[in-house]
Amino acid sequence: DTGVSQDPRHKITKRGQNVTFRCDPISEHNRLYWYRQTLGQGPEFLTYFQNEAQLEKSRLLSDRFSAERPKGSFSTLEIQRTEQGDSAMYLCASSFHGPPGVREQYFGPGTRLTVT
Amino acid sequence: QKEVEQNSGPLSVPEGAIASLNCTYSDRGSQSFFWYRQYSGKSPELIMFIYSNGDKEDGRFTAQLNKASQYVSLLIRDSQPSDSATYLCAVRNYGQNFVFGPGTRLSVLP
Repeated sequence: DTGVSQDPRHKITKRGQNVTFRCDPISEHNRLYWYRQTLGQGPEFLTYFQNEAQLEKSRLLSDRFSAERPKGSFSTLEIQRTEQGDSAMYLCASSFHGPPGVREQYFGPGTRLTVT
Repeated sequence: QKEVEQNSGPLSVPEGAIASLNCTYSDRGSQSFFWYRQYSGKSPELIMFIYSNGDKEDGRFTAQLNKASQYVSLLIRDSQPSDSATYLCAVRNYGQNFVFGPGTRLSVLP
């Protein structure tokens, strides 16, 4: 399977715990995006990387959220001290950025987080 | 004003009819436009993208872009019950992130 993969697919955690999600993009893609989606809404941008550089982070993202892409390949998203409001689907997507511009973006299957 | 707007629906069409989904955006610098299909509980699946004014056809799908009116649409011909899903419009300005609309829920009635 050469698509975007995410792990785990489902995560149930208790409020106050830390969680970490992993995303493996399509191998030739240099951009990687994280989104959050709640029921009835479109994906909400969180952050994106070009190679290992984090180029943009949403103003809506609290300090409890951090993302890394240390070698420009896979990425991790960590949520510290989870709150019930963090319950959502966390989506990863990747694309190729190069001339003539950013190409299409493809999503992974998502990680569904439930905070109890 | 939200950056990308869509009617939330549900839009109901009979099987075999044409479904028309609409999207407006606020950023005049937007350059790329995408339509995703999302089934309940699944992640978005890219079905169409369009970069230039006019129409782009791919099978039963046609995307239409009018940058002057800041409007992009998706037509689905010969709608099938399997087309029932939420359709997300996404817009990107060069070098920046993708902004998604809230989605339109389509129901194709057999």
